Amino acid sequence: DAGVTQTPRHEVAEKGQTIILKCEPVSGHNDLFWYRQTKIQGLELLSYFRSKSLMEDGGAFKDRFKAEMLNSSFSTLKIQPTEPKDSAVYLCASTPRNSGNTLYFGEGSRLIVV
Amino acid sequence: QQQVRQSSQSLTVWEGETAILNCSYENSAFDYFPWYQQFPGEGPALLIAIRSVSDKKEDGRFTIFFNKREKNLSLHIKDSQPGDSATYFCAARASSGSWQLIFGSGTQLTVMP
Repeated sequence: DAGVTQTPRHEVAEKGQTIILKCEPVSGHNDLFWYRQTKIQGLELLSYFRSKSLMEDGGAFKDRFKAEMLNSSFSTLKIQPTEPKDSAVYLCASTPRNSGNTLYFGEGSRLIVV
Repeated sequence: QQQVRQSSQSLTVWEGETAILNCSYENSAFDYFPWYQQFPGEGPALLIAIRSVSDKKEDGRFTIFFNKREKNLSLHIKDSQPGDSATYFCAARASSGSWQLIFGSGTQLTVMP
């Protein structure tokens, strides 16, 4: 079975650019999460979808971050416009309903904004 | 305010020793506590988890000790191996109310051969 797939694995962007990160959850999983990971802040929740409905949009990240779930097997995270402080690893995770809470993470997309 | 706190950013032990990673939390409603293990270049993966009705959970060389009264828990890695070198995240969730899994900032474990 395929795990969570994230693309691109690495991205270098110039300040002000628009970046779109992609995620394919594990087939059959109902819930999808986007996290940002940095050494200082650790894992911060950006968005949470349950059965394609946005349940949580990450409060402080509303401004330039927009996650969408176009269908049950594909999600995007758009950052517009990018700033150097957005440099981080962006992780996507999915979980089946009634999973006992286990999150299955992808390998992440490492973004560097210069 | 950090709801889940891991006291050490990093920990180094020798091969064969027991590594002890500590975690504490604020919210009394938390009742599910997973530990995730992350290797460089990979996403975190569930290692072991405990519910607040238990005070100990064991899986091979990994054991969680849980103290509900003190609101803390620890992950013990017995007979540490160099392959255990990774970052370990403590997390917590409440079954009622918010669904959200709150992560600690992680402890980077290095096991020296």
